[in-house]
Amino acid sequence: DAGITQSPRHKVTETGTPVTLRCHQTENHRYMYWYRQDPGHGLRLIHYSYGVKDTDKGEVSDGYSVSRSKTEDFLLTLESATSSQTSVYFCAITGDRGNTEAFFGQGTRLTVV
Amino acid sequence: QQPVQSPQAVILREGEDAVINCSSSKALYSVHWYRQKHGEAPVFLMILLKGGEQKGHEKISASFNEKKQQSSLYLTASQLSYSGTYFCGTLGGSNYKLTFGKGTLLTVNP
Repeated sequence: DAGITQSPRHKVTETGTPVTLRCHQTENHRYMYWYRQDPGHGLRLIHYSYGVKDTDKGEVSDGYSVSRSKTEDFLLTLESATSSQTSVYFCAITGDRGNTEAFFGQGTRLTVV
Repeated sequence: QQPVQSPQAVILREGEDAVINCSSSKALYSVHWYRQKHGEAPVFLMILLKGGEQKGHEKISASFNEKKQQSSLYLTASQLSYSGTYFCGTLGGSNYKLTFGKGTLLTVNP
């Protein structure tokens, strides 16, 4: 199995509080992605990174920010959590652009109350 | 923009065949296919690259029409273990965005 871990795996937080999710990889892969998964919407891209300090927005980036200060870590921050951000969040990594499979983390279930 | 998958759901009996389609409005560099079991992370099935190269699962086949920006996943002689949600992911030629569709729920019954 690819070395990719997400933390925490589960979190309950209150509306208005900041939340940071971490994705850690040991594969030295260049590309990292954050998705959210909601019923009826599939996997929607939030942000992605194509190198250290190189990030870009996905389809549903409002309310989220990311940082990647080293190859192995990609952080997703909800600056002020809202109930609409209750979701399952997946991190994914891939090596060569588009030519190799993406490996997914086990997901983080976030509940905003 | 998410690629569009069809059908949204399909129910099969063991041994039957199914086709899942994926289409995109943008020019594609590659198409990925993944399967997700309930409560688990998506798992890689196949990649189809512009130019015809394929990498992936031995028992599952797929096609990629570059001109139409369409891909199809063919599941033949389905097994109970094929049940799950199938996602296609697309990657355009001009950026690094790996974007997924809404998924197709496949149920295989005995």
